[in-house]
Amino acid sequence: AQSVTQLDSQVPVFEEAPVELRCNYSSSVSVYLFWYVQYPNQGLQLLLKYLSGSTLVKGINGFEAEFNKSQTSFHLRKPSVHISDTAEYFCAVTSLSGGSNYKLTFGKGTLLTVNP
Amino acid sequence: SQTIHQWPATLVQPVGSPLSLECTVEGTSNPNLYWYRQAAGRGLQLLFYSVGIGQISSEVPQNLSASRPQDRQFILSSKKLLLSDSGFYLCAWRDGRLSNTGELFFGEGSRLTVL
Repeated sequence: AQSVTQLDSQVPVFEEAPVELRCNYSSSVSVYLFWYVQYPNQGLQLLLKYLSGSTLVKGINGFEAEFNKSQTSFHLRKPSVHISDTAEYFCAVTSLSGGSNYKLTFGKGTLLTVNP
Repeated sequence: SQTIHQWPATLVQPVGSPLSLECTVEGTSNPNLYWYRQAAGRGLQLLFYSVGIGQISSEVPQNLSASRPQDRQFILSSKKLLLSDSGFYLCAWRDGRLSNTGELFFGEGSRLTVL
């Protein structure tokens, strides 16, 4: 079984400050990892994903994440946030084993609030 | 390009009434389809997924059911709603031909309030 833990339910920051949203996962097999963003009353949009290769993954809107296998982490970072980055962020994992259904398991989300 | 549509966007229903939420995908064939529910502070809970017409897998036993009458149509239903069914329901799809990316594409969601 796989699971995802997002360590912070809420992260308030000031505009132009750096931010890190933490994500740890648990799985007995190799995984793919994702970060999604959700703006109020909307669906989820993919920010970035790690499938293989370089452990530093760059996504949309200036976000990046680093896969750390030894620490089973996939933290999301942005060097300078904008007001428009205010949203809820979800980390998700899917394992490479099993059938082709590839169900994503999501964390509970981190609400990022960027203040002026 | 592929698109996904959900409706209705918002719904207010009394306890005990039926429910039907619909999701359709355009621009692809034989997608894998998913229904998730999002409740405050609980993240996303997978309710049902389908790998083909008439094939439904349930993840959580509950008051809801799902059907896939056509390749690109996925319906979430209930005969009698409970208060606990309130939430934000998200439909998602992934390309069934891709065996290993796992990426899901989400609809805009349907907010259900049961009173």
